[in-house]
Amino acid sequence: VQLVESGGGLVQPGGSLRVSCTVSGFAVSSNFLSWVRQAPGKGLEWVSTIYADGSGGSRYYADSVKGRFTVSRDNPKNTVYLQMNSLSIEDTAVYYCARATYRRSWYELDYWGQGTLVTVSS
Amino acid sequence: QLVLTQSPSASASLGASVKLTCTLSSGHSTYAIAWHQQQPEKGPRFLMKLNYDGSHTKGDGIPDRFSGSSSGAERYLTISSLQSEDEADYYCQTWGTSLSGVFGGGTKLTVL
Repeated sequence: VQLVESGGGLVQPGGSLRVSCTVSGFAVSSNFLSWVRQAPGKGLEWVSTIYADGSGGSRYYADSVKGRFTVSRDNPKNTVYLQMNSLSIEDTAVYYCARATYRRSWYELDYWGQGTLVTVSS
Repeated sequence: QLVLTQSPSASASLGASVKLTCTLSSGHSTYAIAWHQQQPEKGPRFLMKLNYDGSHTKGDGIPDRFSGSSSGAERYLTISSLQSEDEADYYCQTWGTSLSGVFGGGTKLTVL
């Protein structure tokens, strides 16, 4: 099982960026995936979860990003995306994707990627 | 409101044991949590899921030195025979409605 994030970089306030999470060892279509971010020197903050196709494919977002961020999935590419619009300095963070596996009546964030850094600055 | 509270820092000597605490907010004392470890400059790593009754199931390859326990609204992570590589940030995590994640603020563990 491996998750690899990419697409991070420098973007101006108000701009947009799309980060990717390409996985191997499992199918994104049949798994729940979450995005979690970490601002410099700060703790972990949940951003979004996309449900597996078999569970309706619903998407949920933290209030801090709702209406600005969109999570999506490309099953043939085994990749999940996080489209980020109207970015502000407060969105500067390392963005991690993690698999949420249903096991023993609970979802475990059992595998994480190495993260991709998004810097919002003028 | 579902909140997880952790002490910002902890320290213990090489070879000793340490017990980290995560406290669930009022009304959520039966929630299960997970413990994650984040070593410097690395992504988080799942350590274990910990139930309200103290039963726990660990992630792949997690050594026996890591164990969990519970008491009321408190969830504990105990690391025994501390090694230098255990120096890391430790986060507890649970789920709110619709798989909205909630993280504690993290505890920075220093191995002396």
